[in-house]
Amino acid sequence: DIVMTQSPDSLAVSLGERATINCKSSQNVFHSSTNRNYLGWYQQKPGQPPKLLIYWASTRKSGVPDRFSGSGSGTDFTLTISSLQAEDVAVYFCHQYYSAPLTFGGGTKVEIK
Amino acid sequence: EVQLLESGGNLVQPGGSLRLSCAASGFTFSNYAMTWVRQAPGKGLEWVSYVGGSGSPTYYADSMKGRFTISRDNSKNTLYLQMNSLRAEDTAVYYCARVMIELGASGWGRAFDYWGQGTLVTVSS
Repeated sequence: DIVMTQSPDSLAVSLGERATINCKSSQNVFHSSTNRNYLGWYQQKPGQPPKLLIYWASTRKSGVPDRFSGSGSGTDFTLTISSLQAEDVAVYFCHQYYSAPLTFGGGTKVEIK
Repeated sequence: EVQLLESGGNLVQPGGSLRLSCAASGFTFSNYAMTWVRQAPGKGLEWVSYVGGSGSPTYYADSMKGRFTISRDNSKNTLYLQMNSLRAEDTAVYYCARVMIELGASGWGRAFDYWGQGTLVTVSS
């Protein structure tokens, strides 16, 4: 199984400042034949289901604010919130869909400092 | 508007069975693979199962193989999860989610672009 390890477990960032979340996979999730990383990022607010933010590691889903961006390749990935807003308080999960069983990171809780 | 509405969650005794449903609307259901993901109280996300748009292929997480069965009725725009031999560790909110379509990508893995609100399954005596 591919293990997804997120860091940090939580972080507190001032409004308007940058938040950076890391995700490391235990195996490569880059598929060379399609030149894609099989990696997504989700946001989950309290009492709500997860919401897809980023897929293929760096493609923002339509309607997602452009302050959210994804980067990385192979085994190391990053979700960046360029200017944290109050509505961004949530838990963020990375997700590999490269191979079964599909797996998620443990989550990173983002709060306002 | 894409909508997914789960139902069927309940309190069940260990060893019991339960069938979850997920009613879909706002898109052509048969065109999309679907999946179930669960979340134990206060915990992270765990993928449960996947089914292709036509009803196959199906895939399961190892701990669910032989106990859970995913299926769909495209005439009713409904996804199902039959859960047997339930254990305390199956206690969770169960979400259904739509699997993105992406032509040209290898394999069946894709991100999950829409999620339902979830239904709570509690396994306890």
